[in-house]
Amino acid sequence: DAMVIQNPRYQVTQFGKPVTLSCSQTLNHNVMYWYQQKSSQAPKLLFHYYDKDFNNEADTPDNFQSRRPNTSFCFLDIRSPGLGDAAMYLCATSSRGIGGSQTQYFGPGTRLLVL
Amino acid sequence: AQKVTQAQTEISVVEKEDVTLDCVYETRDTTYYLFWYKQPPSGELVFLIRRNSFDEQNEISGRYSWNFQKSTSSFNFTITASQVVDSAVYFCALSRITGGGNKLTFGTGTQLKVEL
Repeated sequence: DAMVIQNPRYQVTQFGKPVTLSCSQTLNHNVMYWYQQKSSQAPKLLFHYYDKDFNNEADTPDNFQSRRPNTSFCFLDIRSPGLGDAAMYLCATSSRGIGGSQTQYFGPGTRLLVL
Repeated sequence: AQKVTQAQTEISVVEKEDVTLDCVYETRDTTYYLFWYKQPPSGELVFLIRRNSFDEQNEISGRYSWNFQKSTSSFNFTITASQVVDSAVYFCALSRITGGGNKLTFGTGTQLKVEL
């Protein structure tokens, strides 16, 4: 089945130690998104890739970076995690479309714990 | 500015009861799309439905139904004969048109608890 895969499902890191979360997809979608979701809150968009074009949200901290080496993979790098970065990180994909019509399909998420 | 309001923070029902989750949105766009997602305790956001602003027909899928009323800017979601497996957080979302992809404005979610 076509899907969005995130690894690992749980990640523990130390304060200030760089960490990378990965996302892959078999849907062959052009667009990939990264969201941060803290407890009892709605998902918050960090950035997205439209093909190779990177689109950062204005309020995304510089501490968060992303890479998309090919259509299938996208990575989220947190350069110096702080305690406030502990959250669920969700990856989503969508096809190219018009007028905001594209449905986003989400992966299972990676729950990040910062010690 | 776009906004989605889910006024019900938490709803508890007994199994087999019907339950309606409310969603009210604000947008200046004439063309837009609305979505509902389910987030079970495992964390994955599961797509349930997409509706465009020109299609006000109600939709039914099994025990799920959606009522879209443009006049009141509402897109409500009803679960008939609820089951324990329906327990989850449900998010309503509104799309924003961008140069690439689309951006979703989520509501704050409604936690649904279905008890035996």
